[in-house]
Amino acid sequence: DVKVTQSSRYLVKRTGEKVFLECVQDMDHENMFWYRQDPGLGLRLIYFSYDVKMKEKGDIPEGYSVSREKKERFSLILESASTNQTSMYLCASKRTGGVHGYTFGSGTRLTVV
Amino acid sequence: DAKTTQPPSMDCAEGRAANLPCNHSTISGNEYVYWYRQIHSQGPQYIIHGLKNNETNEMASLIITEDRKSSTLILPHATLRDTAVYYCIVRAGGNDMRFGAGTRLTVKP
Repeated sequence: DVKVTQSSRYLVKRTGEKVFLECVQDMDHENMFWYRQDPGLGLRLIYFSYDVKMKEKGDIPEGYSVSREKKERFSLILESASTNQTSMYLCASKRTGGVHGYTFGSGTRLTVV
Repeated sequence: DAKTTQPPSMDCAEGRAANLPCNHSTISGNEYVYWYRQIHSQGPQYIIHGLKNNETNEMASLIITEDRKSSTLILPHATLRDTAVYYCIVRAGGNDMRFGAGTRLTVKP
């Protein structure tokens, strides 16, 4: 069964900490995405990557960075966590082109205290 | 990507058909209509997509109007497990997708 796996289901971090959220997919998909989801705001795209070492800003990249050193792994980095980054973070992957759908992970619920 | 409009919430009786509407009046000729759903505490799950013809799979049916300005997702026999937020997304090919607020469907016994 194909999967997108997010390393942590729940995470609690302190303000100012550097936080790494990890995502791994086993489908050899070229494209990977990070979203955050907040009540009433739906899913918002933070960053995406269409190839190894490539990245593109989404709609809300401020306060985040990403790393894609290997095709199967896409990391979201919070350089200095703040309380307004408390959220559900969702990773997804997709094959390039056409009308292929996304496959999402189960999410990481991050709380910054 | 074309903007979509969905009702914020809907109820449906268990065993009945759930019809979820979506308006996308600014859709372009090369844009597809996608539907995803998100069950509580899980990531979104792909349901179905279409361009201009009606589509059916094991999960649902998608009805797209002739002018393509609106569509309806049909769950023919809704169960309690279909309670979720349903997202209608319109986009051309390409690799990034934006989600709106969706419709919260509650299936009631």
